[in-house]
Amino acid sequence: ETGVTQSPTHLIKTRGQQVTLRCSSQSGHNTVSWYQQALGQGPQFIFQYYREEENGRGNFPPRFSGLQFPNYSSELNVNALELDDSALYLCASSRGQGTYTEQFFGPGTRLTVL
Amino acid sequence: GQQLNQSPQSMFIQEGEDVSMNCTSSSIFNTWLWYKQDPGEGPVLLIALYKAGELTSNGRLTAQFGITRKDSFLNISASIPSDVGIYFCAGQGSNQGGKLIFGQGTELSVKP
Repeated sequence: ETGVTQSPTHLIKTRGQQVTLRCSSQSGHNTVSWYQQALGQGPQFIFQYYREEENGRGNFPPRFSGLQFPNYSSELNVNALELDDSALYLCASSRGQGTYTEQFFGPGTRLTVL
Repeated sequence: GQQLNQSPQSMFIQEGEDVSMNCTSSSIFNTWLWYKQDPGEGPVLLIALYKAGELTSNGRLTAQFGITRKDSFLNISASIPSDVGIYFCAGQGSNQGGKLIFGQGTELSVKP
């Protein structure tokens, strides 16, 4: 069984640029959630995708957007990057959406904004 | 953003000792999850709890879902050096769209 994979591993961007992060869900999982983890903090929920639709969103501005593809993989796009966007971005997949589902995380993408 | 209250923030223990950490929330949760995160890695799921009062073990790890549904604890027995890492609790409420709310983590250090 293939686990959750993310690319790239590391990324350096400058303020104002745009970035796209990618996630492949674990085999058999149809739901993808994205989290932002600042240094020394717990992950913060950005949004979740189920059946290619956004299924819930955390307290993040619209410049954070996403997509889910028919094969359940997903992208996170961030426009107009700010210094505070520097963080570890985690993708988690699950079998189904909502509560009572276990979310399995990928290794993350470390984004640095200069 | 919203977070759970997780304590202690850090622990320094001797190999072989038992460890206990807990999480509390002002909100009721339907699911409690415990994760471990190593430096530069994503969180790894250790234990999932689905019912108030539930006590679940995974090897040397034991976790409980509090009766009030507002708290959970994780115990590690006979700690070993590879237990080093950051442990996170996470809760899921109803009507939350699958959102996991995380604690701030407990950093565990084990002295051989």
